[in-house]
Amino acid sequence: DQQVKQNSPSLSVQEGRISILNCDYTNSMFDYFLWYKKYPAEGPTFLISISSIKDKNEDGRFTVFLNKSAKHLSLHIVPSQPGDSAVYFCAASADDFNKFYFGSGTKLNVKP
Amino acid sequence: DTAVSQTPKYLVTQMGNDKSIKCEQNLGHDTMYWYKQDSKKFLKIMFSYNNKELIINETVPNRFSPKSPDKAHLNLHINSLELGDSAVYFCASSQRNSGGSQFFGPGTRLTVL
Repeated sequence: DQQVKQNSPSLSVQEGRISILNCDYTNSMFDYFLWYKKYPAEGPTFLISISSIKDKNEDGRFTVFLNKSAKHLSLHIVPSQPGDSAVYFCAASADDFNKFYFGSGTKLNVKP
Repeated sequence: DTAVSQTPKYLVTQMGNDKSIKCEQNLGHDTMYWYKQDSKKFLKIMFSYNNKELIINETVPNRFSPKSPDKAHLNLHINSLELGDSAVYFCASSQRNSGGSQFFGPGTRLTVL
């Protein structure tokens, strides 16, 4: 039973526009969330995180929003660039930084 | 310099064989992990070691045995390989209480024939 779900396997966006990647979770005990970016033949790389005490965290072009009541988080990338084309994973942890549950990823394609 | 390295990158083997995947991190982290990415692309944690001590052991067949000779290494040994073991295996490391972000290796694609 997957506790973290990314229901969109792929997303295509025009360069310069906003990319919105979504993630849903089922475990209300999750209190720390991360987004990772993965290029082919490489391991995931950490992108941005958010704690449950916040509802928004911003880092340059990347913003993560957390809606605890809906058990939903999203990653916004604006403006999107072709180099952002990758698979994005969300991950969640419940009071233990060691154990993260990952979603299945969303493949983002940013078209020039 | 590679922060987290895994060898081999690709591994093709027959059912029933025993194989090992090695992982090394040069980041000075105290915690290391093994993940399995299955055919549905979910990354699932298998094991976690903190300072050479096993702290997470998910529901994994006991054919899988991690070994951590020191803080910088976490190897994964698999006995009696089965078809269902075919997957990409990722090693990762982190510094506990650093905010949770983990550094991943490039992955090892295991194919069992």
